[in-house]
Amino acid sequence: DAKTTQPTSMDCAEGRAANLPCNHSTISGNEYVYWYRQIHSQGPQYIIHGLKNNETNEMASLIITEDRKSSTLILPHATLRDTAVYYCIVSYAGNNRKLIWGLGTSLAVNP
Amino acid sequence: GAVVSQHPSWVICKSGTSVKIECRSLDFQATTMFWYRQFPKQSLMLMATSNEGSKATYEQGVEKDKFLINHASLTLSTLTVTSAHPEDSSFYICSVVTGGNQPQHFGDGTRLSIL
Repeated sequence: DAKTTQPTSMDCAEGRAANLPCNHSTISGNEYVYWYRQIHSQGPQYIIHGLKNNETNEMASLIITEDRKSSTLILPHATLRDTAVYYCIVSYAGNNRKLIWGLGTSLAVNP
Repeated sequence: GAVVSQHPSWVICKSGTSVKIECRSLDFQATTMFWYRQFPKQSLMLMATSNEGSKATYEQGVEKDKFLINHASLTLSTLTVTSAHPEDSSFYICSVVTGGNQPQHFGDGTRLSIL
């Protein structure tokens, strides 16, 4: 599985968009990009995933560059409850795929 | 997505005792579950892959005789930390795989503290 690189920490004002970048320059053609977040002392929460096209759901938007070497997770209107560690992971599909977790980006949403 | 329940959420026990953690898939029949461990300020580390009806597959460095995994049904996997010691204190998390390119869904974790 390809490795990812994320900034260690970011700040965002409440109500503004939070844009979290992720580099995955060694991604393979059939690897997906998954985003999870972990609020303190809880299990990870799935946010969104994609292969090539941009994706949007009720939580966030995922923008994947055309060469697929990087992506951006967008929280359109960040709230204090979005304060968490955000993980970008690339992985193949399949039941036995393993997720390799980095240290993620610690996002602080400030009032 | 799948709803995953872990129990207990928090346990404190004396050194030398064994602790069992349950991971239940409430709305999905899971042939595969994963067990992770997370130490403070560190990321999740995969411990083992739990397969229904067969032996678990352990990651390198994880003692299978110390961390016993049983996946006897499609909705329940258990992790037993045998003869636990203070260095086993950690946050243990399970996840359920629903297949294809679908994401893993995680339980809320079990915080284990060994005195």
